[in-house]
Amino acid sequence: DAMVIQNPRYQVTQFGKPVTLSCSQTLNHNVMYWYQQKSSQAPKLLFHYYDKDFNNEADTPDNFQSRRPNTSFCFLDIRSPGLGDAAMYLCATSMSLAGTHTQYFGPGTRLTVL
Amino acid sequence: AQKVTQAQTEISVVEKEDVTLDCVYETRDTTYYLFWYKQPPSGELVFLIRRNSFDEQNEISGRYSWNFQKSTSSFNFTITASQVVDSAVYFCALSEAETSGSRLTFGEGTQLTVNP
Repeated sequence: DAMVIQNPRYQVTQFGKPVTLSCSQTLNHNVMYWYQQKSSQAPKLLFHYYDKDFNNEADTPDNFQSRRPNTSFCFLDIRSPGLGDAAMYLCATSMSLAGTHTQYFGPGTRLTVL
Repeated sequence: AQKVTQAQTEISVVEKEDVTLDCVYETRDTTYYLFWYKQPPSGELVFLIRRNSFDEQNEISGRYSWNFQKSTSSFNFTITASQVVDSAVYFCALSEAETSGSRLTFGEGTQLTVNP
């Protein structure tokens, strides 16, 4: 089945220690998104890639970076995690064609910062 | 600016009851898309439905039904004969018809608890 895969599902890191979260997709979608979701809140868009074009949200901290080496993979790098970065990180994909705007989400990576 | 309001923060029902989750939206666009997602305790956001702004037909899928009314800017979701497995957080979301990907504006979510 075509899907969005995130690894790892759970990640524990130390304060200030860089961490990378991974997302891959078999849907062949051209748009990939990263969201941060804190407890009891709605997901918050950090950035997205439209093909190779990177689109950063205005309020996304510089501490968060992303890479998309090919269509299938996208990475979220947190350069110096703080306690406030503990959250669920969700990857999503969509196909940017007329009339098709549905985002499909992966299972998420729950990040703990010690 | 877009906005989605889910006024019900939490709803608790007993199994087999019908329950309606409310969603009201604001947008200046004439073309837009509305969505409902389900987020069970595992955390994954599961896509349930997409509705285009130019299609006001209501939809039924099994025990789920959706009522889209542009006149009141509402897109409500009804679960008939609720089951314990329906317990989850439900998000209503809105996106514009962008060409560079769809930016979703989420409501704050409604926590639905279905008790046996």
